[in-house]
Amino acid sequence: GIQVEQSPPDLILQEGANSTLRCNFSDSVNNLQWFHQNPWGQLINLFYIPSGTKQNGRLSATTVATERYSLLYISSSQTTDSGVYFCAVEPGGGKLIFGQGTELSVKP
Amino acid sequence: KAGVTQTPRYLIKTRGQQVTLSCSPISGHRSVSWYQQTPGQGLQFLFEYFSETQRNKGNFPGRFSGRQFSNSRSEMNVSTLELGDSALYLCASSQQGSGNTIYFGEGSWLTVV
Repeated sequence: GIQVEQSPPDLILQEGANSTLRCNFSDSVNNLQWFHQNPWGQLINLFYIPSGTKQNGRLSATTVATERYSLLYISSSQTTDSGVYFCAVEPGGGKLIFGQGTELSVKP
Repeated sequence: KAGVTQTPRYLIKTRGQQVTLSCSPISGHRSVSWYQQTPGQGLQFLFEYFSETQRNKGNFPGRFSGRQFSNSRSEMNVSTLELGDSALYLCASSQQGSGNTIYFGEGSWLTVV
C-alpha cells in the first residue's frame, strides 16, 4: 500500500522562528491534507492541498504531486503552534493514510 | 455550522465488555469514516460509510463494526474489548468521501481496564 513519511519527527523552535515540515508519499493520490492535532486530541484541518500552493495567515503549504511530496511552512511561530502536525493522503475510497507526524514544540 | 460531534468523549470499560461510540457528521455530509489512534500504531483507518453503506474497511478484526443511519449519523461498536483497544477513536465526515476535504470530531477516549 501507499507509504507516507513525514520529517522531521520532532522539532523544537524559539518563538518567532520559521519552519518547514515535509511529507513524502509513495504513489499518486486523490487528496492530501495537513492537520494539527491539539492537546485534546482533535485533528484540526489546516489545508486540503492535492496540488499547488495555498496560504492561510502564517501557514502555507505546497504539494508537488508529480514528485510526490508536500511541504508545510510555518512562519513567525508562536507557542500556540505547538502540537503534532500530520500529513494524510487519500489514494481513493475515502480512506486517509496518515504519516507518523511531526511533533513541534515552540518555546517562548 | 456545527462541526463533527462525537459522544461520549471519555469512557472506561472492562475487558470483555462492548462499547458503542456515536458520531454526528457536519450537516449535509454523507460520508462518515472512523479512525483509531494509538501511540504505537498511529492513526489507522477503521471504515467508511456513505449513504448507509460501508464502502471501505481497514485491517481490523471483526470485533470492530459500524453502521450509518439514514440521517448520516454513524455508530461504531467494539465487542469483547481487549486492553489493546484502549485508544482515541476519531470520526470524520466529508461531503462525498473521496477527493473532498475531511473534517474530524474531537474524538472519544476509550480506556479498557
